[in-house]
Amino acid sequence: AQSVTQLGSHVSVSEGALVLLRCNYSSSVPPYLFWYVQYPNQGLQLLLKYTSAATLVKGINGFEAEFKKSETSFHLTKPSAHMSDAAEYFCAVSDRSDYKLSFGAGTTVTVRA
Amino acid sequence: DTEVTQTPKHLVMGMTNKKSLKCEQHMGHRAMYWYKQKAKKPPELMFVYSYEKLSINESVPSRFSPECPNSSLLNLHLHALQPEDSALYLCASSQVRGLTYEQYFGPGTRLTVT
Repeated sequence: AQSVTQLGSHVSVSEGALVLLRCNYSSSVPPYLFWYVQYPNQGLQLLLKYTSAATLVKGINGFEAEFKKSETSFHLTKPSAHMSDAAEYFCAVSDRSDYKLSFGAGTTVTVRA
Repeated sequence: DTEVTQTPKHLVMGMTNKKSLKCEQHMGHRAMYWYKQKAKKPPELMFVYSYEKLSINESVPSRFSPECPNSSLLNLHLHALQPEDSALYLCASSQVRGLTYEQYFGPGTRLTVT
């Protein structure tokens, strides 16, 4: 079964600083990988996805992620944090043969002024 | 339009009540999902419908009864719930196959069981 591990349940950054959220997956074949963001009392919004095209994926709101097969990683970055980036972030993996998403435990991002 | 809508936004029900949650999408997606999310936790898959047929049931108690009346609608019927069923219930939809495989989520229904 597919699974993902998000390192760090809570990340605190200063406004304008780099945001780095770590995600490692376990899979014998390259899966589909996703990053979702959830603002308080809202549903999940897709930030970006990897589906075996370019390994560097650009998403919405200035976020990007790089797929590294050798490290089984899909870390999410944003060069300059904004106060509006404060939210819960979930990495998710999907097997290419079914519809199920396996989510990581999530990382809470807080942004300091 | 990449929107999934859910009604109601909030629901408070007693343990003997019967209520329903509704989800709608008009993206032409033929896979629809129900998730349950507790505070500070990732969503947990409950049910998957593919082409209006139930394809995955993650061993959910029978007090939760899903229904997919057509390709745009997904309902979740609730009966005799327990306080521990209080959670955010999320609906999602996606293509069944292909590279556009991502799931689009609705805003959720916040359910409180008293």
